Amino acid sequence: DADVTQTPRNRITKTGKRIMLECSQTKGHDRMYWYRQDPGLGLRLIYYSFDVKDINKGEISDGYSVSRQAQAKFSLSLESAIPNQTALYFCATSDPLRDRANEQYFGPGTRLTVT
Amino acid sequence: AQSVTQPDIHITVSEGASLELRCNYSYGATPYLFWYVQSPGQGLQLLLKYFSGDTLVQGIKGFEAEFKRSQSSFNLRKPSVHWSDAAEYFCAVAKPRGFGNEKLTFGTGTRLTIIP
Repeated sequence: DADVTQTPRNRITKTGKRIMLECSQTKGHDRMYWYRQDPGLGLRLIYYSFDVKDINKGEISDGYSVSRQAQAKFSLSLESAIPNQTALYFCATSDPLRDRANEQYFGPGTRLTVT
Repeated sequence: AQSVTQPDIHITVSEGASLELRCNYSYGATPYLFWYVQSPGQGLQLLLKYFSGDTLVQGIKGFEAEFKRSQSSFNLRKPSVHWSDAAEYFCAVAKPRGFGNEKLTFGTGTRLTIIP
């Protein structure tokens, strides 16, 4: 089984709808991240969390919110989706206490289309 | 703030030929450096990483990268590519531990095509 899973893998939604993307991990890592990938732009950090009580904004947090329900679960919400939020979304985890380089482990991604 | 440049958007290489993908970074000190690969429809997989020690780093799938401080570069190499290496490759940089290294900054990626 995959260590970092994301649901759904694909989603089409309409402008103005609320949508939640979910991420679960079995790696036991404290840190979790949400990124979006757009063609030609690489990956950009939306939010990250050091533990259940710690949430931090990344470089492109506007229009998004997150919830860290447990150590293993980190959800990303779009309160009112707009077409320019169409992208590939990745969840990642890391554990700097066990890995000095703080390598991040990525889920398979969720492809979101907002029409 | 750190930044990463991958100057080649798309590279085409013949199967069996050698490969070098370029990565330049901007940061005031020695950062932590990573190369990730993304196969079609897949997530990102770490190929290799550098944070200290030997500047020539060996990774998975026969890849290696060399950290050159004087050139602010971390180029990825492979002596002989296989058709399965066709993918998108991302270079990423993070600040050293203790300086906020939870944030990975990615380059824009290089798409690798392999021809027979």
